[in-house]
Amino acid sequence: DTAVSQTPKYLVTQMGNDKSIKCEQNLGHDTMYWYKQDSKKFLKIMFSYNNKELIINETVPNRFSPKSPDKAHLNLHINSLELGDSAVYFCASSRTRTAGELFFGEGSRLTVL
Amino acid sequence: AQTVTQSQPEMSVQEAETVTLSCTYDTSESDYYLFWYKQPPSRQMILVIRQEAYKQQNATENRFSVNFQKAAKSFSLKISDSQLGDAAMYFCAYRRPSIYGGSQGNLIFGKGTKLSVKP
Repeated sequence: DTAVSQTPKYLVTQMGNDKSIKCEQNLGHDTMYWYKQDSKKFLKIMFSYNNKELIINETVPNRFSPKSPDKAHLNLHINSLELGDSAVYFCASSRTRTAGELFFGEGSRLTVL
Repeated sequence: AQTVTQSQPEMSVQEAETVTLSCTYDTSESDYYLFWYKQPPSRQMILVIRQEAYKQQNATENRFSVNFQKAAKSFSLKISDSQLGDAAMYFCAYRRPSIYGGSQGNLIFGKGTKLSVKP
């Protein structure tokens, strides 16, 4: 059983389109995250939810909107995609908002043409 | 703001040899976590080792060990008996457990060190 799973693993789309990435964790963790990894492999936090409540919202364009229907799911919707949105997006979870390590999904590679 | 610095963009090691990856961090906190994550070409982020700042003893996981120097804010990773499967990007990461302030609980990553293993 995959602990943190993301779908889809790959997206290729045109500029201006809207896309979503879904994430689910079966670890019973309270906290989930979205990270962006750019072309230079740098990883940066985008959002974090704790028990469906948004707790971290970094400087991210409004075109990015996370949604957490329950604490096991955290989805990312991106409107009006731009070339600069091309990256690998990682979902992660942790047992609590303050303790221990993060468990990562396999990443979703988004390519905007 | 906390920062994590990995000063070696690339490293190379001969199979079966030992290599040490460097990491320094900047924080005013006394309680925090430090991690090393491995990212092979498959893209998966895999936890290699973790260290709680309050523990003086250096963490060890099989062939992986750390040298944690709290006063120097240094957290290096030693890989012994290197194997071909160790080839990957290695990321050092810092996590502040405090629930006060912004971005609490967030992992802050260094820029990574690409490790090559020569047969």
